Amino acid sequence: DAGVIQSPRHEVTEMGQEVTLRCKPISGHNSLFWYRQTMMRGLELLIYFNNNVPIDDSGMPEDRFSAKMPNASFSTLKIQPSEPRDSAVYFCASSFDRGNPGNTIYFGEGSWLTVV
Amino acid sequence: AQKITQTQPGMFVQEKEAVTLDCTYDTSDQSYGLFWYKQPSSGEMIFLIYQGSYDEQNATEGRYSLNFQKARKSANLVISASQLGDSAMYFCAMRGRPNDYKLSFGAGTTVTVRA
Repeated sequence: DAGVIQSPRHEVTEMGQEVTLRCKPISGHNSLFWYRQTMMRGLELLIYFNNNVPIDDSGMPEDRFSAKMPNASFSTLKIQPSEPRDSAVYFCASSFDRGNPGNTIYFGEGSWLTVV
Repeated sequence: AQKITQTQPGMFVQEKEAVTLDCTYDTSDQSYGLFWYKQPSSGEMIFLIYQGSYDEQNATEGRYSLNFQKARKSANLVISASQLGDSAMYFCAMRGRPNDYKLSFGAGTTVTVRA
C-alpha cells in the first residue's frame, strides 16, 4: 500500500518567493496533519483537517502560511512570502480516526525546505 | 494539556545488545494512546509501536516492545538485539481522549549502535 506521499522532497528557494508543498494522504484516511520540525522547536502541529475541513489551524505561524485540502486525496501548504526562518522539514501525515486515541498517524517522508 | 518527557538525549548501544529508551507522560485523560516513532538520518518518521491506555498486555512488534507502567505514567521502548540500522532518533508520542486529534511528541532520543 502506498504511504503518505509528499512533494517536493527538497526545495531551496530565495527569500520572498512562494513555496507550495503538496501531500497525498493514505487512501481512506479521513484526517490530515501538517507538522513542522526544527532543531529549536522539535515537531509542531501546524494544521489539522478532518474530512477535508480545517479543524485547527492554531499552529500556523502567521498569515504567510496557508493550507488547503480541496479533496480527500490532496492537500497543499503554501508559504508566501517565504523567509529564512521558515527553513525546516515539513511533514504531512494522515490517519483514519474513529474517535479512538489509538488511531495511528502515518507520516510522509517530509519536505526539506531551505530559504536563503 | 499533555506532556511527553524523554530524558535521554543520546545513547550508545553495542550491536546485538538490548537498549531501553525512557518515556514518561503527563495527562489527565483516562483514555489515551502511546506511540513510538523512529526517524533515521534520511528524515522520514516511521511508526514503530502502539500501546493503548486500557491494554493490559505490553505491546510487542518484532524486536520492539513497550514496557508500559500506567501507574508510573511511563512507556519505555525496548529494542532487542540491536542492529546497525537501528541508529536513529526515536520519539515517544501520545494522543489523548477520544477525538483528541493532536499527537504530542517528546524531544526524542538519539540511538547510535556500535559494531
